[in-house]
Amino acid sequence: DAKTTQPNSMESNEEEPVHLPCNHSTISGTDYIHWYRQLPSQGPEYVIHGLTSNVNNRMASLAIAEDRKSSTLILHRATLRDAAVYYCILCRNTDKLIFGTGTRLQVFP
Amino acid sequence: DVKVTQSSRYLVKRTGEKVFLECVQDMDHENMFWYRQDPGLGLRLIYFSYDVKMKEKGDIPEGYSVSREKKERFSLILESASTNQTSMYLCASSLGALPHGYTFGSGTRLTVV
Repeated sequence: DAKTTQPNSMESNEEEPVHLPCNHSTISGTDYIHWYRQLPSQGPEYVIHGLTSNVNNRMASLAIAEDRKSSTLILHRATLRDAAVYYCILCRNTDKLIFGTGTRLQVFP
Repeated sequence: DVKVTQSSRYLVKRTGEKVFLECVQDMDHENMFWYRQDPGLGLRLIYFSYDVKMKEKGDIPEGYSVSREKKERFSLILESASTNQTSMYLCASSLGALPHGYTFGSGTRLTVV
């Protein structure tokens, strides 16, 4: 499985944009980039995924580098409820989800 | 909304006991998964199932077994609980094989004493 590298932790202030980076230099052509997040005392939840083009949904945006070796999850206006561990995961459509240790995002009022 | 329900939020068991962790989903998902989560190690896949009565080993199946007698229910069994199985256990289900379609339960925190 292709590996991802994420910072252990990041901080943000409320209502500011947050850019969560993910490096995946060994990504293959069939790997999708998935983001899940885990709020305190809950199981992970799906955030967004993409293959080559940038993606937007109600929760976040995903910016994918042209060479696909890195991506960035963008939270446009962080709220206290966005404090969570964010996981960047590579897998093909037929793969199981394999989680790394993610980035712990702290949001300050 | 899809719901994945884990029967217990907290569980305390003694070493050597047989432990059953139950997971039920209500959206007719074919696939179900059991993970454990430990500090510094992230989530690790224990077992998964793509159909009733079918099971596959994940990355860390040792010391565990599973049962899937009905589509909506996936049970994780610790045959003889040990202290190194103290962990947070998370169940998930998904429709089809798409990695973006996983729904997780809230977890069972198991302590083996």
